[in-house]
Amino acid sequence: DGGITQSPKYLFRKEGQNVTLSCEQNLNHDAMYWYRQDPGQGLRLIYYSQIVNDFQKGDIAEGYSVSREKKESFPLTVTSAQKNPTAFYLCASSIAGGRFTGELFFGEGSRLTVL
Amino acid sequence: SQKIEQNSEALNIQEGKTATLTCNYTNYSPAYLQWYRQDPGRGPVFLLLIRENEKEKRKERLKVTFDTTLKQSLFHITASQPADSATYLCALDNAGNMLTFGGGTRLMVKP
Repeated sequence: DGGITQSPKYLFRKEGQNVTLSCEQNLNHDAMYWYRQDPGQGLRLIYYSQIVNDFQKGDIAEGYSVSREKKESFPLTVTSAQKNPTAFYLCASSIAGGRFTGELFFGEGSRLTVL
Repeated sequence: SQKIEQNSEALNIQEGKTATLTCNYTNYSPAYLQWYRQDPGRGPVFLLLIRENEKEKRKERLKVTFDTTLKQSLFHITASQPADSATYLCALDNAGNMLTFGGGTRLMVKP
């Protein structure tokens, strides 16, 4: 079955630690995205990538970093510089980026809690 | 500033009735608008897309309208069922290469 796999589903981090969230897709999609969701709020875009080896900052990129070395993979690192990292993180993909992004396919999310 | 507004209060309706959810936006000129369903602790799932030149779109029990003059989209679920209970998100393109999401409205359908 094609889809997007995020791991881990739950992650606990001590303050000052970097953590990396994994996102893998086998849909052969060009574009991938990372969103953050806080309780009762909408999704906010962290980073997106329209093609391998290229990515762009979204609305709340500070304290996060990404890489896109393979079409299938778009890992997100939450660095110690992120002041309030506790949130639900969602990875998504679409067939192509550009003006018409089409529907997004989402993973099941990773819940990060800072202790 | 740009804003997408969905009713943050939960919508409670009786099974069999029509649920109507609202998405209002300001300072956007979207080419299209999308609706997603999100269950607790899960990722959103795409439901419908409507383009700026379309007034209405239907899919089974779902209907979406898009009024670019009022800057509003309405999302209807007819003959609602308890299984329709979830949070519904609207999203629109913001002239960039990404979608911007509203805060979502939680729908509760009571048997």
